[in-house]
Order: sequence, then C-alpha cells, then structure tokens
Amino acid sequence: DQQVKQNSPSLSVQEGRISILNCDYTNSMFDYFLWYKKYPAEGPTFLISISSIKDKNEDGRFTVFLNKSAKHLSLHIVPSQPGDSAVYFCAASEEYDAGKSTFGDGTTLTVKP
Amino acid sequence: GAGVSQSPSNKVTEKGKDVELRCDPISGHTALYWYRQSLGQGLEFLIYFQGNSAPDKSGLPSDRFSAERTGGSVSTLTIQRTQQEDSAVYFCASSVRTDLHFGNGTRLTVT
Repeated sequence: DQQVKQNSPSLSVQEGRISILNCDYTNSMFDYFLWYKKYPAEGPTFLISISSIKDKNEDGRFTVFLNKSAKHLSLHIVPSQPGDSAVYFCAASEEYDAGKSTFGDGTTLTVKP
Repeated sequence: GAGVSQSPSNKVTEKGKDVELRCDPISGHTALYWYRQSLGQGLEFLIYFQGNSAPDKSGLPSDRFSAERTGGSVSTLTIQRTQQEDSAVYFCASSVRTDLHFGNGTRLTVT
C-alpha cells in the first residue's frame, strides 16, 4: 500500500500561470511534509516544507497547503517559469524528521514559454 | 560549497557481480541515508546511519545489500550478486533533520 501518492504523473502549464501539484497520504502519523524538485541527472533538492501544526507555508513563488482532515497537500507555484520544469516529489515523515521520508512517485511539471 | 558527492556516477555490471557505491556526505552532517529510485518510481528508503548508533537497515530489500559508514563520514553501499531488478539510481543523502541534501546519484545498470 503506497502511503504517499501523487496521482498526476505529469502536468503542463503556460509560463506565468499557476502550477498546482497535489499529494495525498494515508498514514495519520505523518507530521512533516516536504517537496523536492529534481532535474535530470541530478539529485532531488529541497524546495519547501510544512509541519502538521500549520496549514500553509509560503516561500517566494512557492506555497504549500496542508489539509490534515483530507490527508492532502498541494504545492502552488505562481507565476510559473520555464526553469520550474522538473520532477516534483512529495515526501512525508514522522516525528518532524526529514530522514526516512516516504516519497511519492513524482509529478513531471513542464512550463511552456 | 561542497555538497554530497557520489561515485561512480554510472556503473554497468554483469548479473552476478558485486558492486560498491560510494558516498561522501556534507561535512558535519551526522545523519546519512541511502535511497534508490527505480524507473518511474519514487525514492525508496534503504538504510540510515546516525552518528555512532547502529544503522537502521529496515529498508534493505535483501541480504545481498549492505552498507558501511567509516569514521562517521564516507559510506559505501555494497550489492552482492547483482540482479537485473537492482538496476536503479542510488542516491545518498545527508541531513540536519529538517531536510535531506542529496547527491547526484549513481545509475546502476545490471545486464
């Protein structure tokens, strides 16, 4: 049973518009959630995180929303830029520890100029 | 600054051979993790080292997989008698708890 799911394998948006990437989880013990961005031939890089005591965290163009009752989180990128084109991984962990995170399968975002 | 370094970047090996993958974490990071990503999949946790504590090996898929961390720094992941299903990108990451810093991975292809 996959505990972290990213149901959209891919997403395509126009430059300047909003990108919304979604993630669902099943384990109610998860209390810390992270998004990573990955370019080809590189390792994932940390983008933004949120703990379960919050429902929103914002960092520049990136905002993560957490809906604990629905076990759902989303990453909003606005405005989207061509350089945002990458694979985005959602990750979840327990005890506010990013280590041993459980990852989703990723969503490939393409931002068209 | 120096990030997490992994070598080799690519490794092609014949089925049945042993391979060793190396990771040099960020200096001062006491936590080190190995993950692997099979084609089209997310990252799968393999093993975790924290300081001098016994490693958490709960993610290792079989006893053909093992890892060591010498002197609290460099780590090697060893896969014995490789199988085709071991083909994947193997990532090492080090951590200061709040997020993981990944290397660029080793792409392992077992023919």
